Amino acid sequence: AQSVTQLDSQVPVFEEAPVELRCNYSSSVSVYLFWYVQYPNQGLQLLLKYLSGSTLVKGINGFEAEFNKSQTSFHLRKPSVHISDTAEYFCAVKHPGGYQKVTFGTGTKLQVIP
Amino acid sequence: DTGVSQDPRHKITKRGQNVTFRCDPISEHNRLYWYRQTLGQGPEFLTYFQNEAQLEKSRLLSDRFSAERPKGSFSTLEIQRTEQGDSAMYLCASSSSGTGDGVYLVDTQYFGPGTRLTVL
Repeated sequence: AQSVTQLDSQVPVFEEAPVELRCNYSSSVSVYLFWYVQYPNQGLQLLLKYLSGSTLVKGINGFEAEFNKSQTSFHLRKPSVHISDTAEYFCAVKHPGGYQKVTFGTGTKLQVIP
Repeated sequence: DTGVSQDPRHKITKRGQNVTFRCDPISEHNRLYWYRQTLGQGPEFLTYFQNEAQLEKSRLLSDRFSAERPKGSFSTLEIQRTEQGDSAMYLCASSSSGTGDGVYLVDTQYFGPGTRLTVL
């Protein structure tokens, strides 16, 4: 079985400061990893994904994430946040091929303070 | 393409009533998924279709829930005899197993805006 842990339920950060949202996963096999963003009363929007290859993945809106197999982590980072980044962020994991189920973490609410 | 659409966006119903939600996936996406999201939680997988075949079902999908995708295009999710615990956001997503069209990434789920169900 696969699982995702997002330890931080809320992360407040000042505007233009850097931010890191943590994600750890558990799986007995290789995985695909995703970060999604959800704005209030909206569906989820894909920020970035890792399938294979380079462990540093760049996504939309200036976000990036680094896959660390030894630490089973996929932390999301942005060097300078904007007010518009205030939203909830979900890390997710999926097994390649076969089963299509995506397992999501419980989310991290990023609050950017002016 | 306008992305994944869901209808209605909001539904308020009384306990014991039946409700049906519709999802229209991105055109020519052969895979379609339903998720449920309760307050403060991430989406939980309910079921998955490849074309018209329902290939995966979560144990969360009790016998009061049924999903269909009769022609391999839009899908419906019906909840019979609704309970207050069914109150949640129901999300639909679609993806392609093909080679991609340059706009949408292959093997990546794209989500609709959701249907928020409130059971009184």
